[in-house]
Amino acid sequence: NAGVTQTPKFQVLKTGQSMTLQCAQDMNHNSMYWYRQDPGMGLRLIYYSASEGTTDKGEVPNGYNVSRLNKREFSLRLESAAPSQTSVYFCASTFGRMGYEQYFGPGTRLTVT
Amino acid sequence: AQTVTQSQPEMSVQEAETVTLSCTYDTSESDYYLFWYKQPPSRQMILVIRQEAYKQQNATENRFSVNFQKAAKSFSLKISDSQLGDAAMYFCAYRRRGGGSQGNLIFGKGTKLSVKP
Repeated sequence: NAGVTQTPKFQVLKTGQSMTLQCAQDMNHNSMYWYRQDPGMGLRLIYYSASEGTTDKGEVPNGYNVSRLNKREFSLRLESAAPSQTSVYFCASTFGRMGYEQYFGPGTRLTVT
Repeated sequence: AQTVTQSQPEMSVQEAETVTLSCTYDTSESDYYLFWYKQPPSRQMILVIRQEAYKQQNATENRFSVNFQKAAKSFSLKISDSQLGDAAMYFCAYRRRGGGSQGNLIFGKGTKLSVKP
């Protein structure tokens, strides 16, 4: 039982390049989330998927797209990376009902130069 | 909209002593959940403790306990017998009861805790 996994762990991009961050969970969770963490800002929600087949915008969706590939996988795509997207990205998942806590992946540190 | 405020950007505690981290939140809901997450230098987010708003009893997990004051919308974390391994960023988080978007977590900006040997 690996929990929530993310790839890659580190990435450096040049402005304008694209990339996809991958996330998978093996806990049979319904809901999945993408956050970004910036110094002094806490974690801010980018996109979420309440259940397989649905995705919705969070607090800071601009410049990102997501795909809920199946119940296990939820990817985040940067089509044209900008320096403002330099951040640490976390994927999380939960059963999505009641008070179940969210389980987090190890994060991806992304630098855009 | 719900908000979560952690007013202490940094805190310091001597090893073996007790420290309390503050968190306040704003909501018009009566049923919700509150969490404290720990983020050590490894970056991994780890759940420390969870409180259900409809329960008056304060949650406790070993050396970690909360002081939940619903009327004051306050949710502080007390760490007893602090250990070097407690050094980390601590995030307070809120979520409404229910599924879908109601299940989204709202985080405070965090408190960085240092533990002195």
